[in-house]
Amino acid sequence: GEDVEQSLFLSVREGDSSVINCTYTDSSSTYLYWYKQEPGAGLQLLTYIFSNMDMKQDQRLTVLLNKKDKHLSLRIADTQTGDSAIYFCAERGPGEPVLTFGGGTRLMVKP
Amino acid sequence: DTAVSQTPKYLVTQMGNDKSIKCEQNLGHDTMYWYKQDSKKFLKIMFSYNNKELIINETVPNRFSPKSPDKAHLNLHINSLELGDSAVYFCASSQRIGIEQFFGPGTRLTVL
Repeated sequence: GEDVEQSLFLSVREGDSSVINCTYTDSSSTYLYWYKQEPGAGLQLLTYIFSNMDMKQDQRLTVLLNKKDKHLSLRIADTQTGDSAIYFCAERGPGEPVLTFGGGTRLMVKP
Repeated sequence: DTAVSQTPKYLVTQMGNDKSIKCEQNLGHDTMYWYKQDSKKFLKIMFSYNNKELIINETVPNRFSPKSPDKAHLNLHINSLELGDSAVYFCASSQRIGIEQFFGPGTRLTVL
């Protein structure tokens, strides 16, 4: 079955850039997503990228997709303490609109 | 005007009890989902309904019975609760052919 993997933890200083990485195994993925989960809260869709794109930028967020290596990354520029959360990568295959999630990366931003 | 809402937010109950979690979306979506997030934060799909019909059931024990009275609601009933059912349950919705999936705030279930 599909598998999505992320590193567990990332710590950065306020003002630095954060890069959160994700790898996936399903070569037929159509869309790849980044969700943010703050403590005690639900999942908030941050951004997504269609599988035929290499890059998508949305304000402080840049998503890079390397389809050959099945590698997705999320770069957050000028990271703020409010960005501290768990970030989930997810992929969607060509069939039913169900998401397969990675285990989440906990981002800690130090002042 | 919350898009996807769930009740209750917290549920603490004894093993063996039966409980329900409710979900409602006001986005006009035709597809709804239940996901389970365990203590290690792993999120897995449990069920998906499209226009009140079950389209995905991911090897979930039949103690879990989803019910969709209409397109805007997907409730989850759990019989004979077990310790391992303790988790956060998230409801979500989307258009079946849509790109974006929106999540509810989650229901934290604790089975004692």
